Amino acid sequence: AQSVAQPEDQVNVAEGNPLTVKCTYSVSGNPYLFWYVQYPNRGLQFLLKYITGDNLVKGSYGFEAEFNKSQTSFHLKKPSALVSDSALYFCAVRASLQTGANNLFFGTGTRLTVIP
Amino acid sequence: DTAVSQTPKYLVTQMGNDKSIKCEQNLGHDTMYWYKQDSKKFLKIMFSYNNKELIINETVPNRFSPKSPDKAHLNLHINSLELGDSAVYFCASSPGLAVRDTQYFGPGTRLTVL
Repeated sequence: AQSVAQPEDQVNVAEGNPLTVKCTYSVSGNPYLFWYVQYPNRGLQFLLKYITGDNLVKGSYGFEAEFNKSQTSFHLKKPSALVSDSALYFCAVRASLQTGANNLFFGTGTRLTVIP
Repeated sequence: DTAVSQTPKYLVTQMGNDKSIKCEQNLGHDTMYWYKQDSKKFLKIMFSYNNKELIINETVPNRFSPKSPDKAHLNLHINSLELGDSAVYFCASSPGLAVRDTQYFGPGTRLTVL
């Protein structure tokens, strides 16, 4: 069975500092990993995904994520946080050996607050 | 141009009523989904349709009935609404069923059952 863990409910970071939002996963087969962001009263916006290839994936708004197979992690990072990055971040996974349709399994979300 | 749109954005209704939420995508995608986000922000798949055919029906009460009149639309009808149905419902679409396909989400419909 597929699952995703986001160990931190809340992450606070000062504006201009680097940020990391953690995600670990458990799948059968090869993982396909996604990050989404949800701004208040808005839908989920796709940030980036890892399918195969380079372990460092670059996405929207200056975000990037590093796939680490040995640690089964896919942490989201940004070198310099902006106040406008404050939002709820979701990690999600699919797996190559997933049966049935390829729906996404989501983590519980991490609320990022960037402090001015 | 809105890629995935939902109507209404807010829906407040009484227990026992029947209501519908509409979803449309203009991305030319073959696959559409409904997700439920509960009060703790947890997201869970409810239904998945591919080319108007039901692919997934998770453990959702049969009071919930999706309908896909064409590939661009996936509507959600809910009968006999209960307090526990209060949530935000998100529609999403993807090019197809390939595991690498990205899902794009609508803005959500906040359903409140009184």
